[in-house]
Amino acid sequence: AQKVTQAQTEISVVEKEDVTLDCVYETRDTTYYLFWYKQPPSGELVFLIRRNSFDEQNEISGRYSWNFQKSTSSFNFTITASQVVDSAVYFCALSEARNNFNKFYFGSGTKLNVKP
Amino acid sequence: DSGVTQTPKHLITATGQRVTLRCSPRSGDLSVYWYQQSLDQGLQFLIQYYNGEERAKGNILERFSAQQFPDLHSELNLSSLELGDSALYFCASGRRNNEQFFGPGTRLTVL
Repeated sequence: AQKVTQAQTEISVVEKEDVTLDCVYETRDTTYYLFWYKQPPSGELVFLIRRNSFDEQNEISGRYSWNFQKSTSSFNFTITASQVVDSAVYFCALSEARNNFNKFYFGSGTKLNVKP
Repeated sequence: DSGVTQTPKHLITATGQRVTLRCSPRSGDLSVYWYQQSLDQGLQFLIQYYNGEERAKGNILERFSAQQFPDLHSELNLSSLELGDSALYFCASGRRNNEQFFGPGTRLTVL
């Protein structure tokens, strides 16, 4: 079974629109971490956020915000007032601790196209 | 800039050949992870090292091997290359087990 599901394969929006990228995860662990990474067309993977399972507070960083809901096993990412530079593939990831070492699982990614 | 370096940036080689990809983790990071990203594919975890020891294996082919050296840099060796091995190979490092910072990747093209 998929540990991390990003059901939206591709999303297209017009600049200044808000957009939410969905991430649903599956784990039986009580301690785990969730991540979002951005992969722009240049190819590098840029770390955006890490959230641990005990902290359900939503986080805002500029135009980015994250909504963590354990009840629905979701960790959604919203970009407010999107810009062309936000065009990228976004990956959600889950980290579980196994024998004191973490295994990482990545979703298949959501490609965001922001048009001017 | 994540602080993780990978060399080379690009590599073009022929089928049947062997190549070595190199990764230098961020200063102080003991964990190194290798991933493969094929065209339009997600990230496939290959292998993880921690302070020189192999800790976890993913979908790594037998033709591939890796090691982490005493200075903590890591190398991924790909042999008997096939066309399907063409991909972006990422290395990531972390100080703690619950973090990963990615290098810029090595783009391998097998002709």
